[in-house]
Amino acid sequence: QVQLVESGGGVVQPGGSLRLSCAASGFTFRSYGMHWVRQAPGKGLEWVAFIRYDGSNKNSADSVKGRFTISRDNSKNTLYLQMNSLRTEDTAVYYCAKDFTIFGVVMMPFDYWGQGTLVTVSS
Amino acid sequence: DIQLTQSPSFLSASVGDRVTITCRASQGISSYLAWYQQKPGKAPKLLIYAASTLQSGVPSRFSGSGSGTEFTLTISSLQPEDFATYYCQQLNSYPSTFGQGTRLEIK
Repeated sequence: QVQLVESGGGVVQPGGSLRLSCAASGFTFRSYGMHWVRQAPGKGLEWVAFIRYDGSNKNSADSVKGRFTISRDNSKNTLYLQMNSLRTEDTAVYYCAKDFTIFGVVMMPFDYWGQGTLVTVSS
Repeated sequence: DIQLTQSPSFLSASVGDRVTITCRASQGISSYLAWYQQKPGKAPKLLIYAASTLQSGVPSRFSGSGSGTEFTLTISSLQPEDFATYYCQQLNSYPSTFGQGTRLEIK
């Protein structure tokens, strides 16, 4: 069965960095686009970033552009989110999520999500 | 960016009730809309995509409709496990955006 397991969250000071990982299993990881979505405590969902199945195309929200970088290693079935220059408003649970359709070329809904990893930015 | 506005933000209903949640887009998004259910402490679950297509395994009491700028999610007969928060998401263009959520609680 499809599994997505995030790791790498924790407490970091403003201006610091963290790298999140999402280990995928149960599907052909290299064939699916992947996303990061976050949810601040008690708030709604915010899409963060997308990477195409082969890594050739990426998109990110304006709120993280220039600070966060999405990447993937298809040989390790792992998705990453490098987060630099962290701000208090980046505090959230970060979810990785899988595209619904194989080799998607347009935006797809997210049919599987991980359990999330909490990032807390605080001094 | 395309904004999605859900109404109501909070809904109190009883088991067996029929409920409808509305999602309005700030510009036309054709049928590029999905609905998710989220329970406390859990990841969201995909319910409906392409505005009206039921995701595999989702009970048929859930249905979606609409196109352009106005969409609805209907639960025909509420079950105890349906009390959760519901989000719409537009997939028409980046950045993808979500509605603010509708919290459905037991009356």
